[in-house]
Amino acid sequence: AQTVTQSQPEMSVQEAETVTLSCTYDTSESDYYLFWYKQPPSRQMILVIRQEAYKQQNATENRFSVNFQKAAKSFSLKISDSQLGDAAMYFCAYRSAPEKLVFGKGTKLTVNP
Amino acid sequence: NAGVTQTPKFQVLKTGQSMTLQCAQDMNHEYMSWYRQDPGMGLRLIHYSVGAGITDQGEVPNGYNVSRSTTEDFPLRLLSAAPSQTSVYFCASSYSGQGSRYFGPGTRLTVT
Repeated sequence: AQTVTQSQPEMSVQEAETVTLSCTYDTSESDYYLFWYKQPPSRQMILVIRQEAYKQQNATENRFSVNFQKAAKSFSLKISDSQLGDAAMYFCAYRSAPEKLVFGKGTKLTVNP
Repeated sequence: NAGVTQTPKFQVLKTGQSMTLQCAQDMNHEYMSWYRQDPGMGLRLIHYSVGAGITDQGEVPNGYNVSRSTTEDFPLRLLSAAPSQTSVYFCASSYSGQGSRYFGPGTRLTVT
């Protein structure tokens, strides 16, 4: 079974600085999708970024980018120019079948002014 | 578009009671799923559906039933509530298996 590991339960960053959240996963599949979701205190799950495993190019969405290392099964999220509104729980997720997402336990990000 | 809606937002049940959590989407998405989120955990898949009339079990299906009679609706039924089912429940939908998932706002359920 696929597993997703987020080794940093909590992280903090100064406003305007850059932070990287780590995620590793375990799979024997060659074609899959990876996601980062943000969950603010409102508890709404918000998709931040998506990566297709067959694409070598790392996905980017504005201030959010990923470092996808397929051989190492690593999928880290970099947040540049951190803003107070970035404070939230961040979840890494792996799509194991058409509608099966496997989530990590999350990283709580604090942004200090 | 209202997106994915869930009702109720909060619910308190006594052990042994039954109830249905409602989920609806107006985006004509084929794929819908239910997750639960417990403290310190990520979301775990309960049941999912890849189209009307088609459902399957996820990682933690015990104690829950689902059906999908229409594309829009995907209710989750708790047959006999137990304290272990105290959790926040999220419904999600997507156009395809590869697509981005849209989550509802969640239902916080407490079973006493």
